Amino acid sequence: DAKTTQPNSMESNEEEPVHLPCNHSTISGTDYIHWYRQLPSQGPEYVIHGLTSNVNNRMASLAIAEDRKSSTLILHRATLRDAAVYYCILKSAQGAQKLVFGQGTRLTINP
Amino acid sequence: EPEVTQTPSHQVTQMGQEVILRCVPISNHLYFYWYRQILGQKVEFLVSFYNNEISEKSEIFDDQFSVERPDGSNFTLKIRSTKLEDSAMYFCASSIGQGIEKLFFGSGTQLSVL
Repeated sequence: DAKTTQPNSMESNEEEPVHLPCNHSTISGTDYIHWYRQLPSQGPEYVIHGLTSNVNNRMASLAIAEDRKSSTLILHRATLRDAAVYYCILKSAQGAQKLVFGQGTRLTINP
Repeated sequence: EPEVTQTPSHQVTQMGQEVILRCVPISNHLYFYWYRQILGQKVEFLVSFYNNEISEKSEIFDDQFSVERPDGSNFTLKIRSTKLEDSAMYFCASSIGQGIEKLFFGSGTQLSVL
């Protein structure tokens, strides 16, 4: 699985938007961009995924660069409950089923 | 929303003892996984399981580890002779299919080996 690069930590304020960046310059054509998060003392939780087009769901939005070498997870209005480690993971539509987790970005939300 | 259930939430054992960690995946899922996370470190893949056999395993998953789906609902991870370094949070996950299908994770079992 191709590698991703994320900042170790980010901080934001409650009720403000948060943009979490991810670089994946070696992404291949069949790789989907997945985001998971891990709340304190919980297992990882799926957030969103996409291939080329921007994606929205009830949790977040995913903005994918035109060349697909980077992406940004957007939390439109952060709450304290969004404090977690966010993982950007590339996963091919074919091949191994496992997710390979990196260190992720630890997001702190200030009240 | 359906969820993956893991029991127990905490397990304490003595070094050299056998432990079995239990998981109930989501009922219509076909792919099952175990991951572990040592305190302060990243989530690490151990093994994936499909159609009653291991489909992939990591270097961590040595002969001390085994997995089983003993009936239609449970998925277990057995560690035959625990070591101090097996102390970690163990997460079970399941997915309905392959490829881009999302994984659903349980809340984990915290294993402490003394």
